[in-house]
This record gives sequence, C-alpha cells and structure tokens, in this order.
Amino acid sequence: AQTVTQSQPEMSVQEAETVTLSCTYDTSESDYYLFWYKQPPSRQMILVIRQEAYKQQNATENRFSVNFQKAAKSFSLKISDSQLGDAAMYFCAYRSDGQNFVFGPGTRLSVLP
Amino acid sequence: KAGVTQTPRYLIKTRGQQVTLSCSPISGHRSVSWYQQTPGQGLQFLFEYFSETQRNKGNFPGRFSGRQFSNSRSEMNVSTLELGDSALYLCASRPQSLNTEAFFGQGTRLTVV
Repeated sequence: AQTVTQSQPEMSVQEAETVTLSCTYDTSESDYYLFWYKQPPSRQMILVIRQEAYKQQNATENRFSVNFQKAAKSFSLKISDSQLGDAAMYFCAYRSDGQNFVFGPGTRLSVLP
Repeated sequence: KAGVTQTPRYLIKTRGQQVTLSCSPISGHRSVSWYQQTPGQGLQFLFEYFSETQRNKGNFPGRFSGRQFSNSRSEMNVSTLELGDSALYLCASRPQSLNTEAFFGQGTRLTVV
C-alpha cells in the first residue's frame, strides 16, 4: 500500500523568507500524481500545486515550487516570500490512476511577522 | 462556478444515533469522494461515487455508507454513532477524468457525545 510521510509536524518561517516542507512517499507504481494541499483555519482544503510523475520538470505556481526527486520518492514544497496568509496545515498527497488520495499527516506552518 | 457545498457545517449527535451528511459537487463534476479527518488518524478515505455507483471504498466498518443521486449530489450516512466517529468529514469532487486534482468542500464537523 502506498504511504506518504511528512516528517515535520510543525514549521515556522519569518514573513518574506523562504521555507521548505518535506514529503516522502512509498509506491511501486511508475505513474502517479503528487499534490500539496493547504488547509487554513477555515478547514477547506485548497490545492497549492500538483506534479505528474512522468514529468521531469518541477512544477511551479507563483511563490510555490516543488523539488520532485522520483528515484528518491521525495516531493518537497518550497514557499518563497512567505506571507501571513500562508499560515496553515499543509498536506502532501499521492494518487495513482483509479485510486483515491493518500494523504500525509500534515505540517503546520506558522508565519511570523 | 460554485464550489463544493457541504451541509450541515456542524452537527452534534448522541452515541447510538445515526447521521446523514450532504455534499453538492461542483457543477459538471461526476465523482464525489468522502474523507474522514481526525487528529489521530489524519485524513482517511471513506468511499468514492461516480455516476451513482460506488467505485472505491476505504477500510471503514459497514456503519458508514453513502450514495449518489442522478444530479451527482452525494450523501453519507453513519449509523449507530460511536464517540470515535467525531471528526471533520470532507467531501471532494472531480471532473469525469481521473487524473485531475480534487476540489474540497469546507467539511462537516461531527461531534458525538
């Protein structure tokens, strides 16, 4: 069974600085998708960024980028120029075709003014 | 486009009772998945419905059931509630295609007393 691990239960970053959240996963599949979701206090899960495993190029969405290392099964999220609104729980998620999401335990990110 | 709507937002029930939660997906989305989120177990997949048929089911007891209507709206039911069923229940919808991200609702917070 696939598993997703986030080894940092909590992280903090100074406003305007850069922070990296770690995620590793375990799978025997070669084709799959990886996601980072953000869950603010409003509880709604919001997609931050997605990566298709067959793409070698790392995904980027404005201030958010990933470092996808397929061989190492690692998928870290870098947030640049951190803003107060980035404070939330961040979940790394894995999904393969025909299957549903497997989520990591989450990392609580605090942004310090 | 309206997002995923879950009702009610909050529920308090007594042990032994049953409860029904509702989810209206984004217009045009035919896949609806349900997840249970607790501090101890994190986000766990309950089941997925597509075109009124259950497509996948997670590892939950038979007290947890669901259905999907012809307009893609979905309901989940939990019978004989236990204290451990207290959780945030999240619904996610997806377009017909499988290889896309899911869009989540704000969840229903169920408290069993």
